[in-house]
This record gives sequence, structure tokens and C-alpha cells, in this order.
Amino acid sequence: KAGVTQTPRYLIKTRGQQVTLSCSPISGHRSVSWYQQTPGQGLQFLFEYFSETQRNKGNFPGRFSGRQFSNSRSEMNVSTLELGDSALYLCASSLAGASSTDTQYFGPGTRLTVL
Amino acid sequence: AQTVTQSQPEMSVQEAETVTLSCTYDTSENNYYLFWYKQPPSRQMILVIRQEAYKQQNATENRFSVNFQKAAKSFSLKISDSQLGDTAMYFCAFAYYGNNRLAFGKGNQVVVIP
Repeated sequence: KAGVTQTPRYLIKTRGQQVTLSCSPISGHRSVSWYQQTPGQGLQFLFEYFSETQRNKGNFPGRFSGRQFSNSRSEMNVSTLELGDSALYLCASSLAGASSTDTQYFGPGTRLTVL
Repeated sequence: AQTVTQSQPEMSVQEAETVTLSCTYDTSENNYYLFWYKQPPSRQMILVIRQEAYKQQNATENRFSVNFQKAAKSFSLKISDSQLGDTAMYFCAFAYYGNNRLAFGKGNQVVVIP
């Protein structure tokens, strides 16, 4: 099976712009979660989508949003970019049913640099 | 938010030797899951091992094993017969039962020396 894929792998944006990152889960996986990784804050949970619905949300401002499509692919959007948004954004997918904790498999990440 | 603590931010180990990474967590729940992930220089996060809190038996995956002490809220990872490919950042992670949200520790950098 193909693993989790994320596009693009690298992005450079300027402050004030917006950006959209994409994640395609492993075939058959219905849950997609997003994490932000920075040297200072480490790995932080952004949100989780399951069956096109946001099931969990971390403590990030409303500038961070996401969605999931019927084929389980997910996108996250960051509007009005700030320098502090520079990070590695990781996507993870899992089978996870309605109420379960399933092993998450991570993609290679998108490296976002905000200038 | 869930707290996961990893000490010893950087450790070096000789090839073929054993290294143990420590992790403690804070929860009042009884049912949860614990994970160790490794992130090599490629930045790809890879699952190493998973432990269900309701299982008393410690999980093992080839050269990787854990020492799960539920009462002490401790979850250490032992890497036996270290190989050069084990060089990576290792993250301990926690998830509540029925929840996919992972809380990660700050990570331990492991460097395997030939």
C-alpha cells in the first residue's frame, strides 16, 4: 500500500499570504490528523478529520482551518501567515472508527517557510 | 493538555550496544495508549512501538521493547543491539482511549556511533 502523501513538500510564503497544504491518506484510512512541528514548541496537534467532519481540534487560532473530502483526502489552510507559522506540517492517517484509538501513520511533511 | 515528559535530550550509543530512553506522562484516566515514534533525519515519523494501558505485558518489536510502569506513569524504550539506522529523534506520545489526538514529548536525540 502506498503511504501517506503530502504536497507540496516545501513552500515559501511571505507574511500576510495564505497557504493550502494537502494530504492523501493511506487507502482505506478515514481519519486524518494534522500536526505542527517547530523547534520551540515541538509537535502540536492541530485538528483531526473523520468522515468529512472535524472530530478534534487543538489550541490554534482560527487562521488555521482544514477540511476533508469524501475520498478522505484532507487539506489545511493557514490564512494571514505570520513568521511564527514557519514549521514542518505533518499529516497522519489511521483507520480509526467512531470511537477508537488507532495507530497513526505519518506523511513526510510539508516544510513551510514564512518570510 | 496532556503532559508527556522526556529527559536526556541527546544520547550517544556505540553500535551494538543498548540504550534506554525514558518517558513519563500525566493522566488521571485508566484507559489510554502510549507510543514511541522515531524521526530520522529524513523527518519521516515512523511508529516504533505501541502499548495499550490495559495490557500488563510490555510490548516488544524486534530490537525495541518497552518498560511500562502504569502506577509510576512511566514508559521507557529500550533499543538493543543498536544499529546506525537507529540514529533519529525519538518521541514518546500519549492518546486517550477512543481519541486519536496524540500528545508528544519534546523528543530524545539518539546518535549511534560506529
